[in-house]
Amino acid sequence: DGGITQSPKYLFRKEGQNVTLSCEQNLNHDAMYWYRQDPGQGLRLIYYSQIVNDFQKGDIAEGYSVSREKKESFPLTVTSAQKNPTAFYLCASAGSRGEKLFFGSGTQLSVL
Amino acid sequence: GQQLNQSPQSMFIQEGEDVSMNCTSSSIFNTWLWYKQDPGEGPVLLIALYKAGELTSNGRLTAQFGITRKDSFLNISASIPSDVGIYFCAGRGAGGTSYGKLTFGQGTILTVHP
Repeated sequence: DGGITQSPKYLFRKEGQNVTLSCEQNLNHDAMYWYRQDPGQGLRLIYYSQIVNDFQKGDIAEGYSVSREKKESFPLTVTSAQKNPTAFYLCASAGSRGEKLFFGSGTQLSVL
Repeated sequence: GQQLNQSPQSMFIQEGEDVSMNCTSSSIFNTWLWYKQDPGEGPVLLIALYKAGELTSNGRLTAQFGITRKDSFLNISASIPSDVGIYFCAGRGAGGTSYGKLTFGQGTILTVHP
């Protein structure tokens, strides 16, 4: 079935450690996005990519990095510079018009 | 930047009641989307609106694109227990380099008592 797959579902980070969240889509979508969700808040954009080998910072990019080497994949690295990484992370993709976003099932990141 | 105010923040209703929620923006939007999120899952798209004044239904859900282009409304009729979840509005502004970038409301938490 077509869709967006995020892994792992749960991830724990030790202090000073970088961790990478995986996002894969088989919808043939050009654009991919990473959002952060904190309790009681809306979704905040971390990074987005409109085409392969190109990506742009969103509203809260500090402490995060991404790559877009393949159309299907858009991994997010939470670096040790992100001092408050505990959150629910959502990956999304959109087709050529970019109007409708479709989301993965999310990764819950917690700090040990 | 663009801001969306979504209200109410939470609702506690009895099964069978109708529900209304809305979002207002400080600027004009070209697209309004409504999503529902179940606990621990990603949001699922319910309704998409593309024109001012547009009224669109999806089963018991009806959403409208406000004529000022700065607001949108979602109604749920005859609520059932599985309607429980968080409902988000999202909008995309006019022009610029905002390809696909959406601004999200804070969400409305809906609880339905049997």
